[in-house]
Amino acid sequence: AQTVTQSQPEMSVQEAETVTLSCTYDTSENNYYLFWYKQPPSRQMILVIRQEAYKQQNATENRFSVNFQKAAKSFSLKISDSQLGDTAMYFCAFIHSGGSNYKLTFGKGTLLTVNP
Amino acid sequence: SQTIHQWPATLVQPVGSPLSLECTVEGTSNPNLYWYRQAAGRGLQLLFYSVGIGQISSEVPQNLSASRPQDRQFILSSKKLLLSDSGFYLCAWTASGTGGPTPFFGPGTRLTVL
Repeated sequence: AQTVTQSQPEMSVQEAETVTLSCTYDTSENNYYLFWYKQPPSRQMILVIRQEAYKQQNATENRFSVNFQKAAKSFSLKISDSQLGDTAMYFCAFIHSGGSNYKLTFGKGTLLTVNP
Repeated sequence: SQTIHQWPATLVQPVGSPLSLECTVEGTSNPNLYWYRQAAGRGLQLLFYSVGIGQISSEVPQNLSASRPQDRQFILSSKKLLLSDSGFYLCAWTASGTGGPTPFFGPGTRLTVL
C-alpha cells in the first residue's frame, strides 16, 4: 500500500524568509508522480508543483522548489521569499503512473503561517 | 481547456435525509475521477475513484455510494445521512493515457448534517 507522511502538522515563518516542508512516501513502484498542493482558507486545492519520479532534476516554479530524493523516498517543498499569501495548508500527494493503480494518496497536511 | 464543476456549493441536511452531490468535468474525455472528504482542519480522505463509466472503487464503504452514469459525471450519494458525514467534499480528475496524471480539483461542497 502506498502512504504519504507529512511529519510537521504546523510551521511558521517570517515574511521574506525561506521555509521547507517535509514529505516522505512509501511505494514499491518505480514510476509515479509527486505533487504539492496549497489549500488557502477558501479551501480550493491549488497545484503548486509537480515532480515526475523518472526525472532526476528537481522541479521549480518561481519561489517554489522541491528536493526530490528518490532513494530516500523524500519530497520536500522549499518556499523562498515567503509572502503573507503563502499562508495555507500544504498537502503532499502521490500517484502511480500506468498500470492499474490509480489511487491518488495525500499526506495529512502542514499548516504554514507566514508572519509579517 | 478543462474545467471541473461541483454542486451544490453548500448544503445543510438533516440526519437521515438522502444526499446527492454532483461533479462534472468539461474539455476532456475518459478522465479518472475521485471523491474526497475533508473534515475541518484535517487531511483528505479518499472515498471513491473511477477509471471509467460504471467502474467504481470504494475506499470507505460506510453509508456512502458513488456512481458514474456518464463519462464525465461522478455522483456521490447516500440514502441516510449521519452526523459524521459532515465535511467538505472535493471532486478531482486526472487525465488518463500519455502525458502523466496531474490531478485537478473542483471548488468543493460544504455539507453540514444537523
